[in-house]
Amino acid sequence: RKEVEQDPGPFNVPEGATVAFNCTYSNSASQSFFWYRQDCRKEPKLLMSVYSSGNEDGRFTAQLNRASQYISLLIRDSKLSDSATYLCVVRATNAGKSTFGDGTTLTVKP
Amino acid sequence: NAGVTQTPKFRILKIGQSMTLQCTQDMNHNYMYWYRQDPGMGLKLIYYSVGAGITDKGEVPNGYNVSRSTTEDFPLRLELAAPSQTSVYFCASSYQEDGTEAFFGQGTRLTVV
Repeated sequence: RKEVEQDPGPFNVPEGATVAFNCTYSNSASQSFFWYRQDCRKEPKLLMSVYSSGNEDGRFTAQLNRASQYISLLIRDSKLSDSATYLCVVRATNAGKSTFGDGTTLTVKP
Repeated sequence: NAGVTQTPKFRILKIGQSMTLQCTQDMNHNYMYWYRQDPGMGLKLIYYSVGAGITDKGEVPNGYNVSRSTTEDFPLRLELAAPSQTSVYFCASSYQEDGTEAFFGQGTRLTVV
């Protein structure tokens, strides 16, 4: 079993749709959680950190469920510019090593 | 605002050749990382460093070496290149504390033929 697993995707949605991605992690000692966005042939960039209480940034909402060991990302009112690959990232407490999921590809269509 | 700078951006190597991928950051970050990303996959950690003079293996270190003589620089060395090392390589850096963002370089696309 992979340390970090994401929905396989791809997700193809129309503009304005709401879409949700899930990510599960196996290391119960994980302490830090992030969603990164990666555009085609570009480097990953931080989309948002995920806090225990959940957090929202505009159209994006991230949630953490420690008991079930998963995190989620909800995108409301999808835009064409949201088309990208979304990477789930989990970091354990020791040494700051991060484990990346394989990513979920989202395509938003007109 | 340079951030993390990687060179070269592209390289083609022949089997058995060696090369060094350069990475430098100007944010005074303690932590630096090298990842590889194969097509359709996530990033796999090759090596990382928690500070100058300290390096450690990640998930896929075989065939690579690193050094960290300064806070700014973290070069990745490929000895005896193999086709399996064809990939996109990303260097990243972050502050020491948990929960902080990692900043990535633009990547090096390496093809071994």
